[in-house]
Amino acid sequence: SQKIEQNSEALNIQEGKTATLTCNYTNYSPAYLQWYRQDPGRGPVFLLLIRENEKEKRKERLKVTFDTTLKQSLFHITASQPADSATYLCALDTSNDYKLSFGAGTTVTVRA
Amino acid sequence: DAGVTQSPTHLIKTRGQQVTLRCSPKSGHDTVSWYQQALGQGPQFIFQYYEEEERQRGNFPDRFSGHQFPNYSSELNVNALLLGDSALYLCASSQDRINEKLFFGSGTQLSVL
Repeated sequence: SQKIEQNSEALNIQEGKTATLTCNYTNYSPAYLQWYRQDPGRGPVFLLLIRENEKEKRKERLKVTFDTTLKQSLFHITASQPADSATYLCALDTSNDYKLSFGAGTTVTVRA
Repeated sequence: DAGVTQSPTHLIKTRGQQVTLRCSPKSGHDTVSWYQQALGQGPQFIFQYYEEEERQRGNFPDRFSGHQFPNYSSELNVNALLLGDSALYLCASSQDRINEKLFFGSGTQLSVL
């Protein structure tokens, strides 16, 4: 069956450090992978999208890598700040059936 | 420019009742997708509406139904509510059924007692 797995435990890091989140998937052939941020009681907010033919994408302090051989994406938050504290979700779409599938998310807490 | 708006924000129902949730997509978007998010879980795809028809459906029973209106707004209906239907219901909008860079509303928190 299809499965998306993110870091099973919450991530607690010191301000200024880099947070690295993983997203592993099985039985998917995604055309692209997305990362969203979700704050408590709010809807997810789109951050980055990386396509299957791209290895790396950057946006300000955020970086995403995508390895279709390993079936894994890594999401990095560099120079982390307390305002980065949130739950981060990865999402896959094969572009064949228009169903976007989400992982359970990883909660990041950045300590000042 | 208003983003995706959902109503109501919170709702309390009892088992067996029926509920209707509403969503207005972001201006310029014609596709609405609904997701259910249980506590501590990621959003689960319920269905997608485009051109006033249900185009794709996730693994949800027929108790979950929807509608899309000519102005692209949408409703989610849930009949015969179960305790397990308690969740945050999210609406997301996009253009031409494409799931890239979805815009989500803040959701409706449904509690079934």
